[in-house]
Amino acid sequence: SQTIHQWPATLVQPVGSPLSLECTVEGTSNPNLYWYRQAAGRGLQLLFYSVGIGQISSEVPQNLSASRPQDRQFILSSKKLLLSDSGFYLCAWSEEGESTDTQYFGPGTRLTVL
Amino acid sequence: AQTVTQSQPEMSVQEAETVTLSCTYDTSESDYYLFWYKQPPSRQMILVIRQEAYKQQNATENRFSVNFQKAAKSFSLKISDSQLGDAAMYFCASTTSGTYKYIFGTGTRLKVLA
Repeated sequence: SQTIHQWPATLVQPVGSPLSLECTVEGTSNPNLYWYRQAAGRGLQLLFYSVGIGQISSEVPQNLSASRPQDRQFILSSKKLLLSDSGFYLCAWSEEGESTDTQYFGPGTRLTVL
Repeated sequence: AQTVTQSQPEMSVQEAETVTLSCTYDTSESDYYLFWYKQPPSRQMILVIRQEAYKQQNATENRFSVNFQKAAKSFSLKISDSQLGDAAMYFCASTTSGTYKYIFGTGTRLKVLA
């Protein structure tokens, strides 16, 4: 069966510091991968998605970036965090090839920028 | 552009009773898919139910069913025999073929009263 991992679970970072959040998927090959952000009391906002290694599509231009160095690894990064980057970050995966397949979510990372 | 609207920020239901959560959407596409996700206090998003727009039959999953009204662009979730474990945030979402992009509503917080 497929599983999705995210770490760290929680993170407190000062403004201006770098960020690296990691997501890995097990039990499937060449999944579609997604990064979402959920602000307090809001729905999910898609940040990035990837349909293959090295392929990244950005939905919201901002100071965040994403990379996919391996088939089942998806990384969210920032060189300098802003206060507005605080939120709950969710990684998700779906089956290769199908854009409308069900997305399955990881446990999330709560990021607080002080 | 696709939009998803959940007009009920919070709902309450007595244990063992039935509750219906509302969702309306707007899209100009004909090939789209609709979802309900549950987010318990752990904050991991869990798929509740999925509906393909081309299917006229309403999707059901055990105690969960939907009322899909395509002409009215309405997609409500009915929870029968409510249980304490059903207490969570519920998000309605839609996606269109070829976009890889889910649009989420702002969520409805469901409280289950013992």
